Amino acid sequence: EAEVAQSPRYKITEKSQAVAFWCDPISGHATLYWYRQILGQGPELLVQFQDESVVDDSQLPKDRFSAERLKGVDSTLKIQPAELGDSAMYLCASSLGGYSYEQYFGPGTRLTVT
Amino acid sequence: GIQVEQSPPDLILQEGANSTLRCNFSDSVNNLQWFHQNPWGQLINLFYIPSGTKQNGRLSATTVATERYSLLYISSSQTTDSGVYFCAVEVREYGNKLVFGAGTILRVKS
Repeated sequence: EAEVAQSPRYKITEKSQAVAFWCDPISGHATLYWYRQILGQGPELLVQFQDESVVDDSQLPKDRFSAERLKGVDSTLKIQPAELGDSAMYLCASSLGGYSYEQYFGPGTRLTVT
Repeated sequence: GIQVEQSPPDLILQEGANSTLRCNFSDSVNNLQWFHQNPWGQLINLFYIPSGTKQNGRLSATTVATERYSLLYISSSQTTDSGVYFCAVEVREYGNKLVFGAGTILRVKS
């Protein structure tokens, strides 16, 4: 069964350092999402891509976060510089695209900033 | 924005018991999904159910879209059912992102 791949699974970094996460969606899925989940809460959308274009980054802290999906397939989310409050689970999801399609999630990257 | 409320927030069951989790939402939705988050943090898809009733083994779900709620039923619970259950909805007016509830923490004791 096709799955969303993410790496690394765990990342520990010091504040002010740069960190990057990678996601490979299910083959053929045009829409890719990055969500952030703070401990004890539900995930919240950071950025959404349709193919290689950003369609929603309204909740992305653009002063320190960036995301790209250059060829419309895999994606990278970067934080520079990392802050203590960025400690969270970063989840990638994908769907076929458009409205009313089921979203599938990867295993996530658990980030700890010290 | 849309509000998604899940109840109860916490639930402790004895193995073999049945349970019902509820999700209320404040607007019309074009997608509703139920997830189980395992101890490693991965979200496992349980149901895609914007309306109607579906069953998968010991789990079933019902969404009454006109009354803006969904129910997840777990029968004959097992310790492996423990974890956090999330309801998430998609509302066309807000794009096709999923908006999650706060989750229900389920603990099944043997």
